[in-house]
Amino acid sequence: AQSVTQPDIHITVSEGASLELRCNYSYGATPYLFWYVQSPGQGLQLLLKYFSGDTLVQGIKGFEAEFKRSQSSFNLRKPSVHWSDAAEYFCAVDEAAGNKLTFGGGTRVLVKP
Amino acid sequence: SQTIHQWPATLVQPVGSPLSLECTVEGTSNPNLYWYRQAAGRGLQLLFYSVGIGQISSEVPQNLSASRPQDRQFILSSKKLLLSDSGFYLCAWLGGNDYGYTFGSGTRLTVV
Repeated sequence: AQSVTQPDIHITVSEGASLELRCNYSYGATPYLFWYVQSPGQGLQLLLKYFSGDTLVQGIKGFEAEFKRSQSSFNLRKPSVHWSDAAEYFCAVDEAAGNKLTFGGGTRVLVKP
Repeated sequence: SQTIHQWPATLVQPVGSPLSLECTVEGTSNPNLYWYRQAAGRGLQLLFYSVGIGQISSEVPQNLSASRPQDRQFILSSKKLLLSDSGFYLCAWLGGNDYGYTFGSGTRLTVV
């Protein structure tokens, strides 16, 4: 079955440390890929997206993600986290360019002072 | 500019009561519209999507229905709410010059 997997339910990092959130998908072709962030009780904010081209994508708030076709992965990274990065992060896939968005289960990030 | 509005922000409803959540988009025409639900501690589940007026696709059989009476209006309804309908409901639209899905601020529904 087609799916989006975020293996880590929770991640705790120290402020200033690097962060990497994993995302794997199972689709036949290369879908459109997205990362969203959700602060408690809020809607979703788009961090970045990948459609084609350069496999390293820069987003807002200092985030970047790398698409690896061979691994069917689209991992999100940030070199140095800030306390304000504490939130839940969702990887999402649009299989057919405008059909619908399928989400992973999310990763909750806690930032230690 | 393109914006999406959802209301109400929070709602507490008794079991068996009806429901109507509204979502409107401004600054665009003929957008794809979506309703998602996020149950407590869980991910986002697509409930309905619409590619045009009167065109509704249902992803999950449930106690809810959706309608699109106007191009930029998407309504989520229920005739009789269940406890399991509690959750965070998000409307989204697809479109714009910078292709992407934009989400509303959500409605927190608690069924008591």
